Amino acid sequence: EIVLTQSPGTLSLSPGERATLFCRASQRVSSGFLAWYQQKPGQAPSLLIYGASSRATGIPDRFSGSGSGTDFTLTISRLEPEDFAVYYCQQYANSRTFGQGTKVEIK
Amino acid sequence: EFQLLESGGGLVPPGGSLRLSCAASGFTFGSSAMSWVRQAPGTGLEWVSTISGRGGSSFYADSVEGRFTISRDNSRNTLYLQMNSLRPEDTAVYYCAKDPPGQGATPYFFDFWGQGTLVTVSS
Repeated sequence: EIVLTQSPGTLSLSPGERATLFCRASQRVSSGFLAWYQQKPGQAPSLLIYGASSRATGIPDRFSGSGSGTDFTLTISRLEPEDFAVYYCQQYANSRTFGQGTKVEIK
Repeated sequence: EFQLLESGGGLVPPGGSLRLSCAASGFTFGSSAMSWVRQAPGTGLEWVSTISGRGGSSFYADSVEGRFTISRDNSRNTLYLQMNSLRPEDTAVYYCAKDPPGQGATPYFFDFWGQGTLVTVSS
């Protein structure tokens, strides 16, 4: 099983700041088969990024994904008020597993 | 517009059974593999099970293998999860989620999620 470890656990930032979230895999994630989701309180997760760097339909370009192998990054260039949420990475190279999440909170 | 509507959650004692349903609309149901993903209170996401578009292949997490059964009725656009021998650690919100179309049984990302149904296993 591929274990995903996200860091930091919590990110305290102000609107307008840049957020950088990390996802490290216990083994190589082939073909960049990594996705990112956003989850707001009381809501279901929603897809942001797939294939490590492709934005899902309707996702604004302030969200970007990068990385390969075992290290992946989600960047939010300028935080909007609606971006404060929990973010999860998920690999689909070998079955499907999720990271434990990073909470982006208002500082 | 995609819609996934889960139902069937509730309170069940340890060792009991429950059947969840997920009614789908807004897309060609039989073209997408479908999954159940759960989230225990205050924790992260755990993939539970996936079934291929035609229902010929199914996959389970080790934590539920042998106790849960995923199925689908493409004529009714409905996904199911039969949960037997329930344990307190199965307490979670259960989400129905779809794969993009045409991926067969290959593991993939989830491009749309339902709002979830809460299952509580407690005496």
